[in-house]
Amino acid sequence: DAGVIQSPRHEVTEMGQEVTLRCKPISGHDYLFWYRQTMMRGLELLIYFNNNVPIDDSGMPEDRFSAKMPNASFSTLKIQPSEPRDSAVYFCASSLWGEQYFGPGTRLTVT
Amino acid sequence: RKEVEQDPGPFNVPEGATVAFNCTYSNSASQSFFWYRQDCRKEPKLLMSVYSSGNEDGRFTAQLNRASQYISLLIRDSKLSDSATYLCVVIPTGGYQLIWGAGTKLIIKP
Repeated sequence: DAGVIQSPRHEVTEMGQEVTLRCKPISGHDYLFWYRQTMMRGLELLIYFNNNVPIDDSGMPEDRFSAKMPNASFSTLKIQPSEPRDSAVYFCASSLWGEQYFGPGTRLTVT
Repeated sequence: RKEVEQDPGPFNVPEGATVAFNCTYSNSASQSFFWYRQDCRKEPKLLMSVYSSGNEDGRFTAQLNRASQYISLLIRDSKLSDSATYLCVVIPTGGYQLIWGAGTKLIIKP
């Protein structure tokens, strides 16, 4: 079975550019989570969805970040405009009964 | 006080040794507990769930102590491939958001 799929795996962009990260959860999972991980702050929950509806976005750092889940098999995390401090690994995870399964992550570098 | 606390390590352990980690949590109403493993530059992967009665999976044993509000992970006969960061995760009762510890780094040396 395919796990959580994320794209791109690596993204290098210049400050001020828009960045879109994509995630396909495991089929049948009804929860989807977006995380950010840095050495300094560890793993941070940004937002999560249940049945495509955003439940808690209190972890989204600021208005430059937005996330959507138009259907059960696809979600996006968008940063506009991007800043160097957004450089991190962004993980998407999906869940059905509590345990979360992570995608391989997108390593974002903003120069 | 952090909701979930772990000793960050690193724990430097010779191959074949037994190593144990503890993780404390502050919310006494927490309902579910997990250990995840994260290799360098990889995603976290579920290692095992932690049940009230304790559970074992090969060389790995997880225990829950609700009275003292901690969970533990024991690794026996450690292998070089066990080198990783081990993350403790707690789900509060009535919630769905996982509360993550900062992780304990384990280095197994030959």
